[in-house]
Amino acid sequence: GENVEQHPSTLSVQEGDSAVIKCTYSDSASNYFPWYKQELGKRPQLIIDIRSNVGEKKDQRIAVTLNKTAKHFSLHITETQPEDSAVYFCAASHTGGFKTIFGAGTRLFVKA
Amino acid sequence: DAGVIQSPRHEVTEMGQEVTLRCKPISGHNSLFWYRQTMMRGLELLIYFNNNVPIDDSGMPEDRFSAKMPNASFSTLKIQPSEPRDSAVYFCASSTDVGGGYTFGSGTRLTVV
Repeated sequence: GENVEQHPSTLSVQEGDSAVIKCTYSDSASNYFPWYKQELGKRPQLIIDIRSNVGEKKDQRIAVTLNKTAKHFSLHITETQPEDSAVYFCAASHTGGFKTIFGAGTRLFVKA
Repeated sequence: DAGVIQSPRHEVTEMGQEVTLRCKPISGHNSLFWYRQTMMRGLELLIYFNNNVPIDDSGMPEDRFSAKMPNASFSTLKIQPSEPRDSAVYFCASSTDVGGGYTFGSGTRLTVV
Protein backbone atom coordinates (compact mmCIF):
# COMPACT_ATOMS: atom_id res chain seq x y z
CA GLY A 1 0.00 0.00 0.00
CA GLU A 2 0.94 3.67 0.03
CA ASN A 3 3.70 4.54 2.45
CA VAL A 4 5.78 7.54 3.48
CA GLU A 5 9.01 6.93 5.36
CA GLN A 6 10.63 9.76 7.30
CA HIS A 7 14.17 10.07 8.73
CA PRO A 8 15.55 10.72 11.23
CA SER A 9 13.02 10.13 13.98
CA THR A 10 14.92 12.49 16.28
CA LEU A 11 17.29 15.32 15.39
CA SER A 12 19.23 17.54 17.74
CA VAL A 13 21.10 20.60 16.45
CA GLN A 14 22.81 23.64 17.91
CA GLU A 15 21.10 26.99 17.48
CA GLY A 16 22.21 28.54 14.22
CA ASP A 17 22.99 25.23 12.53
CA SER A 18 20.95 23.74 9.69
CA ALA A 19 18.53 20.83 9.99
CA VAL A 20 17.51 18.43 7.23
CA ILE A 21 14.64 15.95 7.33
CA LYS A 22 14.20 13.42 4.55
CA CYS A 23 11.20 11.48 3.30
CA THR A 24 10.52 8.87 0.67
CA TYR A 25 7.17 7.87 -0.75
CA SER A 26 5.93 4.80 -2.54
CA ASP A 27 2.96 5.97 -4.63
CA SER A 28 4.31 7.25 -7.94
CA ALA A 29 1.01 9.06 -8.53
CA SER A 30 1.70 11.40 -5.59
CA ASN A 31 1.99 15.00 -6.75
CA TYR A 32 1.53 17.12 -3.62
CA PHE A 33 3.93 17.12 -0.67
CA PRO A 34 3.09 19.21 2.41
CA TRP A 35 5.11 19.61 5.60
CA TYR A 36 3.50 20.15 9.00
CA LYS A 37 4.97 21.43 12.26
CA GLN A 38 3.47 20.32 15.55
CA GLU A 39 4.55 22.04 18.74
CA LEU A 40 4.04 20.28 22.03
CA GLY A 41 0.35 20.05 22.90
CA LYS A 42 -0.69 21.89 19.74
CA ARG A 43 -2.23 20.98 16.41
CA PRO A 44 -0.16 20.15 13.30
CA GLN A 45 0.16 23.24 11.13
CA LEU A 46 1.06 23.44 7.46
CA ILE A 47 4.37 25.29 7.08
CA ILE A 48 5.31 24.70 3.46
CA ASP A 49 4.30 22.52 0.53
CA ILE A 50 5.54 21.61 -2.91
CA ARG A 51 3.86 20.24 -6.00
CA SER A 52 5.38 17.80 -8.44
CA ASN A 53 5.93 20.35 -11.19
CA VAL A 54 8.51 22.14 -9.03
CA GLY A 55 11.88 20.87 -7.80
CA GLU A 56 12.47 23.34 -5.00
CA LYS A 57 10.56 25.92 -2.99
CA LYS A 58 11.81 28.35 -0.37
CA ASP A 59 10.13 30.46 2.28
CA GLN A 60 12.54 32.49 4.42
CA ARG A 61 14.54 29.97 6.50
CA ILE A 62 12.77 26.86 5.27
CA ALA A 63 13.03 25.13 1.92
CA VAL A 64 11.76 21.92 0.39
CA THR A 65 13.28 19.91 -2.42
CA LEU A 66 11.66 17.18 -4.46
CA ASN A 67 13.20 14.43 -6.58
CA LYS A 68 10.31 12.69 -8.32
CA THR A 69 12.53 10.17 -10.04
CA ALA A 70 13.90 8.91 -6.75
CA LYS A 71 10.63 9.59 -4.88
CA HIS A 72 12.49 11.65 -2.30
CA PHE A 73 11.65 15.00 -0.75
CA SER A 74 13.36 16.93 2.00
CA LEU A 75 12.84 19.81 4.41
CA HIS A 76 15.74 22.15 5.07
CA ILE A 77 15.75 24.62 7.96
CA THR A 78 18.63 27.10 8.06
CA GLU A 79 19.79 29.25 10.99
CA THR A 80 17.73 27.19 13.41
CA GLN A 81 16.24 28.85 16.47
CA PRO A 82 14.89 27.35 19.71
CA GLU A 83 11.33 28.05 18.55
CA ASP A 84 11.92 25.66 15.66
CA SER A 85 11.87 22.83 18.21
CA ALA A 86 8.82 20.69 17.37
CA VAL A 87 7.74 17.53 15.60
CA TYR A 88 7.78 17.83 11.82
CA PHE A 89 5.66 15.60 9.58
CA CYS A 90 6.10 15.09 5.88
CA ALA A 91 3.17 13.88 3.79
CA ALA A 92 2.23 12.87 0.28
CA SER A 93 -1.01 12.87 -1.64
CA HIS A 94 -2.37 13.14 -5.15
CA THR A 95 -5.35 14.92 -6.60
CA GLY A 96 -8.12 12.45 -7.12
CA GLY A 97 -6.77 10.23 -4.35
CA PHE A 98 -8.39 12.21 -1.54
CA LYS A 99 -6.26 11.18 1.36
CA THR A 100 -2.84 12.30 2.55
CA ILE A 101 -0.31 9.78 3.85
CA PHE A 102 1.82 11.10 6.71
CA GLY A 103 5.33 10.15 7.72
CA ALA A 104 5.99 9.07 11.31
CA GLY A 105 7.41 12.45 12.28
CA THR A 106 10.80 13.90 13.26
CA ARG A 107 11.30 15.39 16.69
CA LEU A 108 13.65 18.36 16.26
CA PHE A 109 15.48 19.81 19.25
CA VAL A 110 17.31 23.10 18.81
CA LYS A 111 19.73 23.71 21.65
CA ALA A 112 20.39 27.30 22.65
CA ASP B 1 -12.33 32.59 10.05
CA ALA B 2 -12.38 30.65 13.33
CA GLY B 3 -10.67 27.66 11.76
CA VAL B 4 -11.65 24.05 12.36
CA ILE B 5 -13.52 23.84 15.65
CA GLN B 6 -13.50 20.71 17.75
CA SER B 7 -15.31 19.93 20.98
CA PRO B 8 -14.76 19.00 23.66
CA ARG B 9 -11.06 19.85 24.14
CA HIS B 10 -10.70 17.24 26.86
CA GLU B 11 -12.84 14.23 27.69
CA VAL B 12 -12.37 11.81 30.54
CA THR B 13 -14.76 8.90 30.60
CA GLU B 14 -15.11 5.49 32.14
CA MET B 15 -14.62 2.32 30.17
CA GLY B 16 -17.85 1.21 28.53
CA GLN B 17 -19.30 4.68 28.18
CA GLU B 18 -20.25 6.27 24.87
CA VAL B 19 -18.08 9.16 23.68
CA THR B 20 -19.01 11.66 20.97
CA LEU B 21 -16.46 14.00 19.46
CA ARG B 22 -17.59 16.94 17.35
CA CYS B 23 -16.08 18.91 14.51
CA LYS B 24 -17.03 22.00 12.53
CA PRO B 25 -14.89 22.37 9.39
CA ILE B 26 -13.92 25.64 7.78
CA SER B 27 -16.77 27.01 5.70
CA GLY B 28 -16.25 26.15 2.04
CA HIS B 29 -13.94 23.22 2.71
CA ASN B 30 -15.40 20.14 1.06
CA SER B 31 -13.17 17.45 2.56
CA LEU B 32 -13.10 16.44 6.23
CA PHE B 33 -10.75 14.01 7.92
CA TRP B 34 -10.65 12.36 11.35
CA TYR B 35 -7.20 11.40 12.70
CA ARG B 36 -6.07 9.73 15.91
CA GLN B 37 -2.64 10.53 17.35
CA THR B 38 -0.73 8.44 19.88
CA MET B 39 2.94 8.22 20.74
CA MET B 40 3.12 4.63 19.58
CA ARG B 41 1.24 4.88 16.28
CA GLY B 42 1.64 8.52 15.28
CA LEU B 43 -1.07 10.12 13.13
CA GLU B 44 -3.59 7.55 11.93
CA LEU B 45 -6.32 8.40 9.44
CA LEU B 46 -9.60 6.97 10.68
CA ILE B 47 -12.09 8.15 8.06
CA TYR B 48 -12.57 10.96 5.55
CA PHE B 49 -15.53 12.57 3.87
CA ASN B 50 -15.80 14.46 0.60
CA ASN B 51 -18.92 16.58 0.08
CA ASN B 52 -20.41 14.95 3.22
CA VAL B 53 -20.03 11.44 1.79
CA PRO B 54 -17.76 8.93 3.57
CA ILE B 55 -15.07 7.96 1.08
CA ASP B 56 -12.80 5.63 3.03
CA ASP B 57 -13.37 4.29 6.53
CA SER B 58 -10.75 1.57 6.35
CA GLY B 59 -8.83 3.22 9.17
CA MET B 60 -11.64 2.89 11.68
CA PRO B 61 -10.28 0.43 14.24
CA GLU B 62 -13.41 -1.61 14.78
CA ASP B 63 -17.17 -1.52 14.89
CA ARG B 64 -17.12 0.43 18.12
CA PHE B 65 -16.14 3.49 16.07
CA SER B 66 -18.58 5.32 13.81
CA ALA B 67 -18.58 8.71 12.10
CA LYS B 68 -21.21 10.84 10.46
CA MET B 69 -21.36 14.06 8.49
CA PRO B 70 -25.01 15.08 8.26
CA ASN B 71 -24.20 18.40 6.58
CA ALA B 72 -21.28 20.44 5.30
CA SER B 73 -20.69 22.18 8.63
CA PHE B 74 -20.75 19.34 11.14
CA SER B 75 -19.27 15.90 11.76
CA THR B 76 -19.20 13.52 14.70
CA LEU B 77 -16.98 10.62 15.70
CA LYS B 78 -18.57 8.24 18.15
CA ILE B 79 -17.01 5.47 20.21
CA GLN B 80 -19.38 3.01 21.85
CA PRO B 81 -18.40 1.35 24.10
CA SER B 82 -15.12 3.11 24.88
CA GLU B 83 -12.02 1.22 26.06
CA PRO B 84 -8.78 2.40 27.72
CA ARG B 85 -6.83 1.72 24.52
CA ASP B 86 -8.94 4.37 22.78
CA SER B 87 -7.14 7.02 24.83
CA ALA B 88 -5.49 9.40 22.36
CA VAL B 89 -5.76 12.84 20.82
CA TYR B 90 -8.36 12.92 18.07
CA PHE B 91 -7.90 15.56 15.38
CA CYS B 92 -10.37 16.73 12.80
CA ALA B 93 -9.01 18.44 9.68
CA SER B 94 -10.55 19.99 6.60
CA SER B 95 -9.32 21.06 3.19
CA THR B 96 -10.59 22.93 0.16
CA ASP B 97 -9.83 20.34 -2.45
CA VAL B 98 -8.67 16.82 -2.89
CA GLY B 99 -4.93 16.60 -2.34
CA GLY B 100 -4.53 20.06 -0.85
CA GLY B 101 -3.11 21.10 2.52
CA TYR B 102 -5.12 20.47 5.67
CA THR B 103 -6.20 22.79 8.45
CA PHE B 104 -6.34 20.88 11.70
CA GLY B 105 -8.58 21.57 14.66
CA SER B 106 -7.15 21.86 18.16
CA GLY B 107 -7.93 18.22 18.88
CA THR B 108 -9.82 16.37 21.59
CA ARG B 109 -7.71 14.65 24.23
CA LEU B 110 -9.65 11.54 25.21
CA THR B 111 -8.82 9.58 28.33
CA VAL B 112 -10.71 6.37 29.03
CA VAL B 113 -10.22 5.05 32.55
